[in-house]
Amino acid sequence: AQKITQTQPGMFVQEKEAVTLDCTYDTSDQSYGLFWYKQPSSGEMIFLIYQGSYDEQNATEGRYSLNFQKARKSANLVISASQLGDSAMYFCAMRDLFSGSARQLTFGSGTQLTVLP
Amino acid sequence: KAGVTQTPRYLIKTRGQQVTLSCSPISGHRSVSWYQQTPGQGLQFLFEYFSETQRNKGNFPGRFSGRQFSNSRSEMNVSTLELGDSALYLCASSLTDSYNEQFFGPGTRLTVL
Repeated sequence: AQKITQTQPGMFVQEKEAVTLDCTYDTSDQSYGLFWYKQPSSGEMIFLIYQGSYDEQNATEGRYSLNFQKARKSANLVISASQLGDSAMYFCAMRDLFSGSARQLTFGSGTQLTVLP
Repeated sequence: KAGVTQTPRYLIKTRGQQVTLSCSPISGHRSVSWYQQTPGQGLQFLFEYFSETQRNKGNFPGRFSGRQFSNSRSEMNVSTLELGDSALYLCASSLTDSYNEQFFGPGTRLTVL
């Protein structure tokens, strides 16, 4: 079974500063993918970044980067130069890449990020 | 290109009724997954369809069912509604069953009174 843990229910960051959202995971799968999604108050889940377990380099997408430490089973999201529009709930998720449940995402409990002006 | 659409966006039902929610994936996408989001349980996987076949089902009672049509549109049905079924129901689509990125719709917010 897979499990995602996000220990920060809420985070505050000053506009233009960087912030790190923590995510640890537990799985017995050898091949898996890690995802981060953003959910504004409107409810829609917005895909931010993906990291495969066999990827040796940390993923980056614009202002988002994923700090992947496989041995520690952590996949922290780093947002650089925070903007007011980054205020939202952020979810870490994972799924097995090679099994019958290939498309099923397991989500963490989320971190509510508030960017202060 | 249009995103994932879900209808209706909001729904109010009473206990014991049944409800049908609809999801239209992005054009060309053949995989559709459904998730339930509640404050208490968070985001939980309901089921996944690919090419009109249910590939996987989460740990939900049989009152929750779904189907996918030949045009990849999907519906989910909840019969004999309970208060605990009040939730945001999210649909996600992806290009194939091996493509990593899933695109989510805006969700249907169901309230059971």
